[in-house]
Amino acid sequence: AQSVTQLGSHVSVSEGALVLLRCNYSSSVPPYLFWYVQYPNQGLQLLLKYTSAATLVKGINGFEAEFKKSETSFHLTKPSAHMSDAAEYFCAVSDQGLTGGGNKLTFGTGTQLKVEL
Amino acid sequence: KAGVTQTPRYLIKTRGQQVTLSCSPISGHRSVSWYQQTPGQGLQFLFEYFSETQRNKGNFPGRFSGRQFSNSRSEMNVSTLELGDSALYLCASSPEQYGYTFGSGTRLTVV
Repeated sequence: AQSVTQLGSHVSVSEGALVLLRCNYSSSVPPYLFWYVQYPNQGLQLLLKYTSAATLVKGINGFEAEFKKSETSFHLTKPSAHMSDAAEYFCAVSDQGLTGGGNKLTFGTGTQLKVEL
Repeated sequence: KAGVTQTPRYLIKTRGQQVTLSCSPISGHRSVSWYQQTPGQGLQFLFEYFSETQRNKGNFPGRFSGRQFSNSRSEMNVSTLELGDSALYLCASSPEQYGYTFGSGTRLTVV
């Protein structure tokens, strides 16, 4: 079974500082990996996805993530935090591509990002 | 391009009742998945439908069921509601390959 671990349920940064949200995955086959953001009382918005093409993936709102197979990691970064980045972030792995797997996302427990002035 | 539409947005039901939630996927998307989000359990996969067939199912009791219509719209049903079913229910639609777009969810409160 595939799984995702997000280190740090809460992360606090100053506005303008680097954002680093950690995600490690477990998979017996090359995974598809995703980062989603959720604002209060809303659904999930896709930030970026890794689908075995380039290991450095650029997403929306200035976010990017690097797939590191040797470290089984897919950490999310943003060079300069903005107040509007305050939200909950979820890393997810998909078993799509496995025989009979279909579309199923396994999510991490989420990281609440707080941005302070 | 319209996104994933979930109705209703909020729902209050009494324990023991049943409820039906609706999801209209993005036009052209044939796969619809459902997820339950709770503070205690996080985001959990319920089931996925593709071309009117259930293709994948999570670890939920039989009280949770779903279906997909020929126009790809999907419904999920929860029978004999329990207090623990209170959650945000999210629907996601996807084209054939690795793309998941979520709706805003239905907030179900069971009292």
